Amino acid sequence: AQSVTQLGSHVSVSEGALVLLRCNYSSSVPPYLFWYVQYPNQGLQLLLKYTTGATLVKGINGFEAEFKKSETSFHLTKPSAHMSDAAEYFCAVSEYAGGDMRFGAGTRLTVKP
Amino acid sequence: EAQVTQNPRYLITVTGKKLTVTCSQNMNHEYMSWYRQDPGLGLRQIYYSMNVEVTDKGDVPEGYKVSRKEKRNFPLILESPSPNQTSLYFCASSSVDRGVGETQYFGPGTRLLVL
Repeated sequence: AQSVTQLGSHVSVSEGALVLLRCNYSSSVPPYLFWYVQYPNQGLQLLLKYTTGATLVKGINGFEAEFKKSETSFHLTKPSAHMSDAAEYFCAVSEYAGGDMRFGAGTRLTVKP
Repeated sequence: EAQVTQNPRYLITVTGKKLTVTCSQNMNHEYMSWYRQDPGLGLRQIYYSMNVEVTDKGDVPEGYKVSRKEKRNFPLILESPSPNQTSLYFCASSSVDRGVGETQYFGPGTRLLVL
C-alpha cells in the first residue's frame, strides 16, 4: 500500500525567504501526488497535483513541486514566503483515480515578519 | 457551486449516545470518503465508498459505520461514541474517471467532542 512521509512537523521561515516542505512517498505503481493546504479552522484546499507528464507542477499562490521518481520525492517550494502562507500543509499519494488516498502527518509552516 | 457539505460543523455529545454526521456532494462523484484528523497524525481514512451500496474500511474503521444509499450522500454513524473519537472529521469526494477524478474535494469539517 502507498504511504507518505513528511519530513519536519514544523517549519519556520522569515518573510521573503524560500519555503521548502519535504515529502517522500512509497507506491507500487506510478502514483498520483498531491499537496493540500489547511488554513486555521478551515478544510483542505488543493494546492497542486501531479498525475502524469511534466514533473514540475505549478500550483496556486506561487507554490510548485517537482516529482522525482528516482528519489521518490515530491517536495513543495515557494521562492518567497508571505505571511499569508502560514498554514498546515499535507502531502498525499493515491495509486489510482478516485482511489484510496494516503496523507502525511502534515507540516505546520510559520512565517516570521 | 460545486461543494461538499457536512453537518453539523460542531458537536458535543456524551459517551454512548448515537450520532450521525451527514455528508453530501453535488458533483455527481462516485467516490466518497471519511477521514479523521488528529494532531501529529495527519488525516486517516475511516471508510470509503466507490459507488452506491459499495463501501469498504479504511485505516481506522473501529467504532464507525457508514452507508451509501444514494450517490450524493455518505453519512458517518457513531453507534456508541467514546472519548477517543473526539476529533476533526472530514468528508471528501472525487470522480473515478481517469484523467479527471484524481482530486478529492473536501468538506469544511466537523469538530466532535465526546465527553
